[in-house]
Amino acid sequence: GNSVTQMEGPVTLSEEAFLTINCTYTATGYPSLFWYVQYPGEGLQLLLKATKADDKGSNKGFEATYRKETTSFHLEKGSVQVSDSAVYFCALTLNTGGFKTIFGAGTRLFVKA
Amino acid sequence: GAVVSQHPSRVICKSGTSVKIECRSLDFQATTMFWYRQFPKKSLMLMATSNEGSKATYEQGVEKDKFLINHASLTLSTLTVTSAHPEDSSFYICSAREGGFVNQPQHFGDGTRLSIL
Repeated sequence: GNSVTQMEGPVTLSEEAFLTINCTYTATGYPSLFWYVQYPGEGLQLLLKATKADDKGSNKGFEATYRKETTSFHLEKGSVQVSDSAVYFCALTLNTGGFKTIFGAGTRLFVKA
Repeated sequence: GAVVSQHPSRVICKSGTSVKIECRSLDFQATTMFWYRQFPKKSLMLMATSNEGSKATYEQGVEKDKFLINHASLTLSTLTVTSAHPEDSSFYICSAREGGFVNQPQHFGDGTRLSIL
């Protein structure tokens, strides 16, 4: 079936460290891929997206590349800040009826000053 | 950008009460809205897809008589938790997709924390 698997957290980093959060997916057809971020007590916000193979989504220093050959969409940032502490969700939207979105379990990131 | 407003942000009520949660798309029309439930430190579980002018589509295992969804206009969907009990306590989040294409992201409300005593 369709699914999203992302690395378990929590991930704890020091400020200015390099961040990678792995995400792999299983899907029929050609889904669109997204990263969403959730700050404490809030809903989700779109961080970035990619809609086809080899597309790179980027926003606020975060990047992720749609790798069809490895069915992956890993999130990276070169230098994290304390304000990046949040839960990050990898997600895919199927291009079939209903356009459902399937979310990964989420990865909690703590950034220490 | 597109904004989804969800109200109320927090509800505390007694067991047996029915609770209504509103989800509004403020600057775009949403023919489809989604309702999710999120357990502590867990991912989002899709409960139902709300379609304007027609019946909602519920996911397997979600009681449609317990979680009533109404999508009466292109900017408003409501979720009513009927005769709520403590096990219904959770964080409920709505979302709406602007446009009908798969490559468009969902815009999320800030969520409603429901606590049933």
